[in-house]
This record gives sequence, structure tokens and C-alpha cells, in this order.
Amino acid sequence: GIQVEQSPPDLILQEGANSTLRCNFSDSVNNLQWFHQNPWGQLINLFYIPSGTKQNGRLSATTVATERYSLLYISSSQTTDSGVYFCAVYNQGGKLIFGQGTELSVKP
Amino acid sequence: SAVISQKPSRDICQRGTSLTIQCQVDSQVTMMFWYRQQPGQSLTLIATANQGSEATYESGFVIDKFPISRPNLTFSTLTVSNMSPEDSSIYLCSSGTGGLNTEAFFGQGTRLTVV
Repeated sequence: GIQVEQSPPDLILQEGANSTLRCNFSDSVNNLQWFHQNPWGQLINLFYIPSGTKQNGRLSATTVATERYSLLYISSSQTTDSGVYFCAVYNQGGKLIFGQGTELSVKP
Repeated sequence: SAVISQKPSRDICQRGTSLTIQCQVDSQVTMMFWYRQQPGQSLTLIATANQGSEATYESGFVIDKFPISRPNLTFSTLTVSNMSPEDSSIYLCSSGTGGLNTEAFFGQGTRLTVV
């Protein structure tokens, strides 16, 4: 089945710094999503981005489907950005497959 | 987008008991899914809740342990039966059409601790 790998697994930033999170997937996909899981466990939709580039405030994402990767950019990080970032793709059976996540900690 | 309400948000339960988690979607959806997230781990799909028929379980999950109901197109329940401390996890429901080009949305999760 499709494999989803995220890097880095952990990241510690100083408030105000920028970061790039990466998601590699092993097969072609029709859907890719980025989520932020807050400390209370809630999954928040960040981007639905099967291809191209999208921006939402300080966050942006780019998916290069032909090269099977996606990047999530966080600029001017804030302590509220802390948590785990997941990317997920649908397999051919219509099931959402998650990567292992990147745990981000932003220090004041 | 879909708004998904899940309850309870958290619970502490005695081993050997059962807990039923409810998931309500604000619109009719074809597919509802249940996930488990063990401490420090990623999300793993438990089953697909099918309206009008039995749920479809993933490898490693069985109906006796995780019975699921789906009485209509907006509501589903997951029961965690005969709990042990190993069942301590976050349980999340999700909705979508199941198609390959649709966005998935999640409830706020149920944080379960079994003592």
C-alpha cells in the first residue's frame, strides 16, 4: 500500500522563526491534506492540496504530485503553532493514510 | 465543509467496562470513519461505518471489541468494549464521501483513559 513519510519527526523553534515540513508519498495520489493536531487532540484542517500552492495567512503549502512530495511552510512562528502536523493521502480504496507526523514546539 | 460533533470529549473508565462515543455530522454524508490514535502515534483507521449495513473493519480490529452503529446519514457511534489500559487512546470520527478527490473532516476527538 501507499507509504507516507514525514520529516523531520521533531522540530523546536524560537518564536518568530520560519520552518518547512516535508511529506513524501510512495505512489500517485488524488488528494493530499495537511492537518494540525492541537494539544487537546483536535485535528484542524490546514490545506486540501493535491497539487499546486496555497496560502493561508502565515502558512502555505506546495504539492508537487509528479515528484510525490508536499511541503508545509510556517512563517513567523508563534507558540500557538505548537502541536503535531500530519499529512494524509487517500489510497486507491478511498481510505485516508496518515504520515507519522512532525511534532513542532515553538518556544517564546 | 462539514462540522462534526463528537462526545464525550474525554473520559476515564474502569477496566472491563465499555464506553460509547457519539459522532454527529451537520449534513448527510456517505461515509463515516473511526480512527484510533495511541499515545505518541499517528492515526489508524478502525473501520468504515456504513449506513444500513455492518461496518467494514480494518485488519486488527474486530466487531466484538469495537461495535459500530450507523442508523442514518448524519450519526454514528463507536463502542469500546471490555476495556483494558491498552485501549487508552484518542478516538476520532471523520466524514467524507469516500471518493478520491474529497476533503476529510474530523470531530474534536475523545480522549479515553482506562485505569
